[in-house]
Amino acid sequence: AQSVSQHNHHVILSEAASLELGCNYSYGGTVNLFWYVQYPGQHLQLLLKYFSGDPLVKGIKGFEAEFIKSKFSFNLRKPSVQWSDTAEYFCAVKGYSSASKIIFGSGTRLSIRP
Amino acid sequence: GAGVSQSPSNKVTEKGKDVELRCDPISGHTALYWYRQRLGQGLEFLIYFQGNSAPDKSGLPSDRFSAERTGESVSTLTIQRTQQEDSAVYLCASSLDGDSSTDTQYFGPGTRLTVL
Repeated sequence: AQSVSQHNHHVILSEAASLELGCNYSYGGTVNLFWYVQYPGQHLQLLLKYFSGDPLVKGIKGFEAEFIKSKFSFNLRKPSVQWSDTAEYFCAVKGYSSASKIIFGSGTRLSIRP
Repeated sequence: GAGVSQSPSNKVTEKGKDVELRCDPISGHTALYWYRQRLGQGLEFLIYFQGNSAPDKSGLPSDRFSAERTGESVSTLTIQRTQQEDSAVYLCASSLDGDSSTDTQYFGPGTRLTVL
């Protein structure tokens, strides 16, 4: 069965610190991978996605994620966080078949200290 | 263009009452999804509509929950005889083609349901 794990439930960082949020998935086939962000009081927005090609994907606001197939991982990174990055981050995976639904992780809450 | 819209944005109801939540997807999107997000938790899949196909209702938690979609437009999620554990944010998302391997979902702002 398809599943997504985000092991960090709450991450607290100071401004300018580097960020890496973990995401591991379980699926016996080719996958598409997503990171969504939910800023306080706003709706879920797509941050970046991986379908194929270069495993290092760049998204909006300086975020990037690397797909490591051998580790079933799609970790989200940012070299220097800002207070405005405070949000909830969700990793999601969709199998490469039409019958596969997108599955979301439980989310990681990121708090940035100014 | 316009994104996914949901109404109402907030709904407070009494235990035992029925509620109806509405979702307007992005025009031209054939797929529509409903999710539930309880406080501090991830997204829980409820139901998925794709074009004229039979909906995937595998995520509906009980027979008190139902959803309808008119063609490829508006959808309504109905919760009958609401219970306190139904309190959550109900999110709607739409996408161009849910059967596509490269499908991407776009979310609405959600409806915050509080059952007293």
